[in-house]
Amino acid sequence: RKEVEQDPGPFNVPEGATVAFNCTYSNSASQSFFWYRQDCRKEPKLLMSVYSSGNEDGRFTAQLNRASQYISLLIRDSKLSDSATYLCVARPNTDKLIFGTGTRLQVFP
Amino acid sequence: GAVVSQHPSWVICKSGTSVKIECRSLDFQATTMFWYRQFPKQSLMLMATSNEGSKATYEQGVEKDKFLINHASLTLSTLTVTSAHPEDSSFYICSARSISLYGYTFGSGTRLTVV
Repeated sequence: RKEVEQDPGPFNVPEGATVAFNCTYSNSASQSFFWYRQDCRKEPKLLMSVYSSGNEDGRFTAQLNRASQYISLLIRDSKLSDSATYLCVARPNTDKLIFGTGTRLQVFP
Repeated sequence: GAVVSQHPSWVICKSGTSVKIECRSLDFQATTMFWYRQFPKQSLMLMATSNEGSKATYEQGVEKDKFLINHASLTLSTLTVTSAHPEDSSFYICSARSISLYGYTFGSGTRLTVV
């Protein structure tokens, strides 16, 4: 079983739609969680950290459920520029980042 | 903000040759460097972790004699793919961590094609 699992998608949504991505992690010792965005053939870029209480950054909302070992990302009012692969990332009690396979999002006009 | 310069951005080499990839932290000291590999439509897989002045720690299944990592200074880490084969063709990315900065700074990646 992979340490961080995501639905690879693709999710094809129209502009303005709300879309949610889910992620599960297997290592209960994981302490920190993040969502990264990766554009084709580019390096990943931090989108946001994920906190236990849930957190919001503009159109993006992240949630963490430690009991279920589940993380989510909600994108409201999708823009064309949101098209990318979204990587769920866990950090165990070390400095390593463990990446999920990513969920591809395609926003169409 | 913190920047890691990774070179080359792409390289094509012949099977059997060696390729060196460099990552330089431009405005901070990278105490730890992580090296990842990403095959098409797959996740970033951690290959090894290196701390400045120490030998790298390799992940299970990664051949340390094939992927040579050097982190001799706080601003430079290199990955050398020795005797490259077509199956080594991949996207290699470094990520730096510093005790003085929060977070991880990624290089822009190197696309290696072995023919």
